[in-house]
Amino acid sequence: DGGITQSPKYLFRKEGQNVTLSCEQNLNHDAMYWYRQDPGQGLRLIYYSQIVNDFQKGDIAEGYSVSREKKESFPLTVTSAQKNPTAFYLCASSISGTARSDTQYFGPGTRLTVL
Amino acid sequence: DAKTTQPTSMDCAEGRAANLPCNHSTISGNEYVYWYRQIHSQGPQYIIHGLKNNETNEMASLIITEDRKSSTLILPHATLRDTAVYYCIATSQTGTASKLTFGTGTRLQVTL
Repeated sequence: DGGITQSPKYLFRKEGQNVTLSCEQNLNHDAMYWYRQDPGQGLRLIYYSQIVNDFQKGDIAEGYSVSREKKESFPLTVTSAQKNPTAFYLCASSISGTARSDTQYFGPGTRLTVL
Repeated sequence: DAKTTQPTSMDCAEGRAANLPCNHSTISGNEYVYWYRQIHSQGPQYIIHGLKNNETNEMASLIITEDRKSSTLILPHATLRDTAVYYCIATSQTGTASKLTFGTGTRLQVTL
């Protein structure tokens, strides 16, 4: 069953702790993305990667870090430097990430709550 | 990046066609129009996309005006499961990457 998996679905952390969100895909896509969604808002791009061992900052990268050591995995770390980390985090992937008609497919999301 | 404008909310009776409009008057010639929908607390689901021709798939139809300044997503026979927030997006480029910029979308409520 091909697709994008994110774990866990719900995550609770204490303020000041770093936390890593998992994203895995078995679609053989080159490009992967991380978005953040706040209540009642659209998605905002945090980081993206078009190829293994390379990634780029999106619109709101401050306080986040990523790695892309394997094609199928793109974990996101929310660091203590992120001022408002409580949000719904979505991972996506696409075939190449370069063509304007390159469709992004989304995972189910992780809802992070920082207490 | 082209900005899209959508109504905040719409209602549709079950079994009827749902027509969701989107304005993208500043879209450039090589920017695609994408539609996604998001059911509460789930990841966005891809529906359809197009450049200038009308498109149809098993989920919906996309009608793009000849001047490309607006489009309409049509769900031919809406069901209660189509209740969701629908996003109209004009793709753009960030560096060498294709980029989706999500607005706040249209909340479609399908009723009995």
